[in-house]
Amino acid sequence: EVQLVQSGAEVKEPGESLKISCKGSGYNFNIYWIGWVRQMPGKGLEWMGIIYPGDSETRYNPSFQGQVIISADKSISTAYLQWSSLKASDTAMYYCARPRPELGNFDYWGQGTLVTVSS
Amino acid sequence: DIQMTQSPSILSASVGDRVTITCRASHGSSSWLAWYQQKPGKAPKLLIYKTSSLESGVPSRFSGSGSGTEFTLTISGLQPDDFATYYCQQYNTYTWTFGQGTKVEIK
Repeated sequence: EVQLVQSGAEVKEPGESLKISCKGSGYNFNIYWIGWVRQMPGKGLEWMGIIYPGDSETRYNPSFQGQVIISADKSISTAYLQWSSLKASDTAMYYCARPRPELGNFDYWGQGTLVTVSS
Repeated sequence: DIQMTQSPSILSASVGDRVTITCRASHGSSSWLAWYQQKPGKAPKLLIYKTSSLESGVPSRFSGSGSGTEFTLTISGLQPDDFATYYCQQYNTYTWTFGQGTKVEIK
């Protein structure tokens, strides 16, 4: 069974750094892209970026380029989303999701990680 | 970049109704259009992929259609479990874009 399990909720202060994770299981993690999707409170879904764990090729939504870093450690089947300096506007639920090859629809989703940034 | 515009933003309906949600792409003619259902506090769930293909396990009352820049999701016979928010999503060469969502609420 394919599963994406994300790290737990985080509460941070503005300016702090953060790295959240998404661990894949039940499939060959190396050969499927993994994406990240943001959902701000009460708002819609926004695609942030995506990584191919096999060679760490990464693509970003221009709106998020330079704001976050997406990485992966294929040895432990885990993808990451990190911030170097959080802002209050980064408060959101973050989902990892696996797109179906060629078709692009996200057929498997993590449970979400709630990030709250507040002083 | 392609922008996806859904309408309506909110849809009030009753159990048993047939409802239709529309998603328009700003340009392009990709058929890689998907629809998701999201309930509060839960991750989105894939309903339809490649415009009209029903994801395994999804009830047949859900259907998708469209081409070019206009796509629709239809729920034939709304059930209590269907009250949720629905999103369209397009994919084109390593770029994913979601519509802004349509909330289906009880009338």
